Amino acid sequence: SQTIHQWPATLVQPVGSPLSLECTVEGTSNPNLYWYRQAAGRGLQLLFYSVGIGQISSEVPQNLSASRPQDRQFILSSKKLLLSDSGFYLCAWSAGGAENEQFFGPGTRLTVL
Amino acid sequence: TQLLEQSPQFLSIQEGENLTVYCNSSSVFSSLQWYRQEPGEGPVLLVTVVTGGEVKKLKRLTFQFGDARKDSSLHITAAQPGDTGLYLCAVYNYGQNFVFGPGTRLSVLP
Repeated sequence: SQTIHQWPATLVQPVGSPLSLECTVEGTSNPNLYWYRQAAGRGLQLLFYSVGIGQISSEVPQNLSASRPQDRQFILSSKKLLLSDSGFYLCAWSAGGAENEQFFGPGTRLTVL
Repeated sequence: TQLLEQSPQFLSIQEGENLTVYCNSSSVFSSLQWYRQEPGEGPVLLVTVVTGGEVKKLKRLTFQFGDARKDSSLHITAAQPGDTGLYLCAVYNYGQNFVFGPGTRLSVLP
């Protein structure tokens, strides 16, 4: 069966510090991978998606970047965090296509102080 | 302007009551998904509707896709505290990405 992992689960970082969040998927090959950010109690904002190794598409201009160094690894990074980067970050994978389910990881709660 | 709008934004009801939440758009979609999310966790898919007018049932939950494939509703019969959560609709947009609505936060009180 497939599983998706995210770490860390929670993170408190000062403004201006770097960020690295990692997401890995097990039990599937060549998944589509996604990074979302969610404001408190609200919907998901798609940040990045990837259809293959080294292929990253950005949905919104921001202080963040993403990389996919391996087929089942997706990394969200920042060189200098802003207060507005605080939120709940979710990684997801899907097999591709409009009707395919997205499977979400447990999320990372990021607080920038 | 958001691609998907959901209403109501918040809903608090007593156990045993019925409720309906809505997902609307001015665009036409080939399919639409409903997810439920509990606090501190990732969303979990409830259903995917594909055909205009389609009705799908999942125990006490009934999902309907509008005839024109622009909107959808979720009806819960005899709500229970375990139904509490954030209900999100999502559609598959151009390319390889999904767009989520802002969600309806449901609270079912015992």
